[in-house]
Amino acid sequence: EVKLVESGGGLVQPGRSLKLSCAASGFSFNDYWMGWVRQAPGKGLEWIGEINQDSSTINYTPSLKDKFTISRDNAQNTLYLQMSKLGSEDTAIYYCAMEGFAYWGQGTLVTVSS
Amino acid sequence: DIQMTQSPSSMSVSLGDTVTITCRASQDVGIYVNWFQQKPGKSPRRMIYRATNLADGVPSRFSGSRSGSDYSLTISSLESEDVADYHCLQYDEYPYTFGAGTKLELK
Repeated sequence: EVKLVESGGGLVQPGRSLKLSCAASGFSFNDYWMGWVRQAPGKGLEWIGEINQDSSTINYTPSLKDKFTISRDNAQNTLYLQMSKLGSEDTAIYYCAMEGFAYWGQGTLVTVSS
Repeated sequence: DIQMTQSPSSMSVSLGDTVTITCRASQDVGIYVNWFQQKPGKSPRRMIYRATNLADGVPSRFSGSRSGSDYSLTISSLESEDVADYHCLQYDEYPYTFGAGTKLELK
């Protein structure tokens, strides 16, 4: 069974950084692109970016490219999202998703507030 | 960026209705459109992939279609469990972009 479990969310002050993790199991992690999507409270879905199997290609939505960094550790079957210079506009549930978006994690809530 | 203009933003529906939600792409995205269902407090669930293909485990009352740059999700004979938010996504070109979403509400 494919399982994606995000962690690392919480309350963070404006301007600070936070790193999210997504632990994958039930499939061959290093065979798939992986990505991140977020959803602000009461809003729609926003694609953040995705990373290929060997981390040689990473694509981002342009507005987040300078703030967010996607990485992965295939030995640990884990996807990461490093977020910096956080602002209130980054308050959202952050989901990881597998290539093709057939599988999603349960999401982790990030709240940016002083 | 490719814009996915989704309509309607909300819809008041009755059980047994046939419901159609549409996304219009601002440029050609070919078959690379997915549809997702999302219930409150839950992760999105892929319903349709590559515009017309039913995802695993999705009831056959759901279908996807394409007419030019218009992509539609149709729910035939709506059931109570179908009341949810629906989102389209284009993944033909970076950055991938979602529609704004459609909220189905029972009359």
